[in-house]
Amino acid sequence: GAVVSQHPSRVICKSGTSVKIECRSLDFQATTMFWYRQFPKQSLMLMATSNEGSKATYEQGVEKDKFLINHASLTLSTLTVTSAHPEDSSFYICSARTPYGYTFGSGTRLTVV
Amino acid sequence: AQTVTQSQPEMSVQEAETVTLSCTYDTSENNYYLFWYKQPPSRQMILVIRQEAYKQQNATENRFSVNFQKAAKSFSLKISDSQLGDTAMYFCAFNAGGTSYGKLTFGQGTILTVHP
Repeated sequence: GAVVSQHPSRVICKSGTSVKIECRSLDFQATTMFWYRQFPKQSLMLMATSNEGSKATYEQGVEKDKFLINHASLTLSTLTVTSAHPEDSSFYICSARTPYGYTFGSGTRLTVV
Repeated sequence: AQTVTQSQPEMSVQEAETVTLSCTYDTSENNYYLFWYKQPPSRQMILVIRQEAYKQQNATENRFSVNFQKAAKSFSLKISDSQLGDTAMYFCAFNAGGTSYGKLTFGQGTILTVHP
């Protein structure tokens, strides 16, 4: 149980376009979703915390106008990278808290060309 | 603020042997949770083991066990009978307990390679 489905797993987009990443909790209600960014062989860096029905809380240094987070329902949270640039290329992971700990999506590898 | 430190960037072990990954943390909280997560080459984060700070008994999950030293703020992971499938990046993580669903604070990670 407690599965988070993340899509797409890989996406390539052109510089200046926007990309949406979706995370769905399949068998539980995710009141809170955490969004991370990870560079190769490095740790997960928390970008923002989204709560269902309210505005996301962004970590210091994260541009909220570039990384739009929406958590409109208890089973869906989305991250939109707006006006993407090559430096936004990274691995993005979502995570939700469950009674047993935290469950993670499978990640999205974003490449901006 | 909480911090988590993993001082071993890379470790290697022979198949069937035992390896211990180190983790220390700093917090002023008394009630919290500690986790070890594994991230294999697929990059899917997988929970290995978790420990509640109020429990004195060290958590174990099959070949994985922890040595939780609350006073020393140390939380090491022992992997016994290492298998090739244990090759992954391992992250120690901290979460303040209580009624709020707080965020996870991760260590820098340790890349473990199991050699045949």
